[in-house]
Amino acid sequence: QSALTQPASVSGSPGQSITISCTGTSSDVGGYNYVSWYQQHPGKAPKLIIYDVTDRPSGVSNRFSGSKSGNTASLTISGLQAEDEADYYCSSYTTGGPSFGTGTKVAVL
Amino acid sequence: QVQLQQSGPGLVKPSQTLSLTCAISGDSVSNKTTAWSWIRQSPSRGLQWLGRTYYRDKWHNDYDVSVKSRISIKPDTSKNQFSLQLNSVTPEDSAVYYCARDLGDYYASGIYIVYYFDFWGQGSLVTVSS
Repeated sequence: QSALTQPASVSGSPGQSITISCTGTSSDVGGYNYVSWYQQHPGKAPKLIIYDVTDRPSGVSNRFSGSKSGNTASLTISGLQAEDEADYYCSSYTTGGPSFGTGTKVAVL
Repeated sequence: QVQLQQSGPGLVKPSQTLSLTCAISGDSVSNKTTAWSWIRQSPSRGLQWLGRTYYRDKWHNDYDVSVKSRISIKPDTSKNQFSLQLNSVTPEDSAVYYCARDLGDYYASGIYIVYYFDFWGQGSLVTVSS
């Protein structure tokens, strides 16, 4: 499966909002509402923060929100906090197996 | 709360077999509403799903085409765990390997649609080197 395209890095100041894009094709992101997002701190396993494009698991801050338009999904982090500094990955269903994004490093300035 | 505990050697010689185990607590490997996957992460490949095992009417396996000829994922119901075996490894198989619970739906046509991975193991760094 081909990797979904994400920006390598995004940065923002505390309190600001940032958005991470995840671009695929009509065979993955654009074709299904099964996009999920994962947060990964250094040396840790990925953690699910958004599933089914827009839903948040119990316990995940409502500062994280997801959306999709066409072949591009987006993750928005509002009220940026120091603890949000991490790598973020999107994922989507596609035939043959799930695809993951290339990953985005979020820096809190 | 579901917890996944991984175990296995961190160093494997080229051409040999990589073996890892994932012990499940808080859920059952035989749960008919979930699946159990292996995913690896390396600087060169990023996150790569390798395969899954799941029980519906019977045990099923799905594998990524890139490793299909070398991989085996098996459940062990007596120990409530599942395992990964990857044969004929090369240095390109060096990565951090994760087990994860896989939420999705299985259709009678034989297609499994994965929605997301909600619980992950702690990760196992495996290096392939002589």
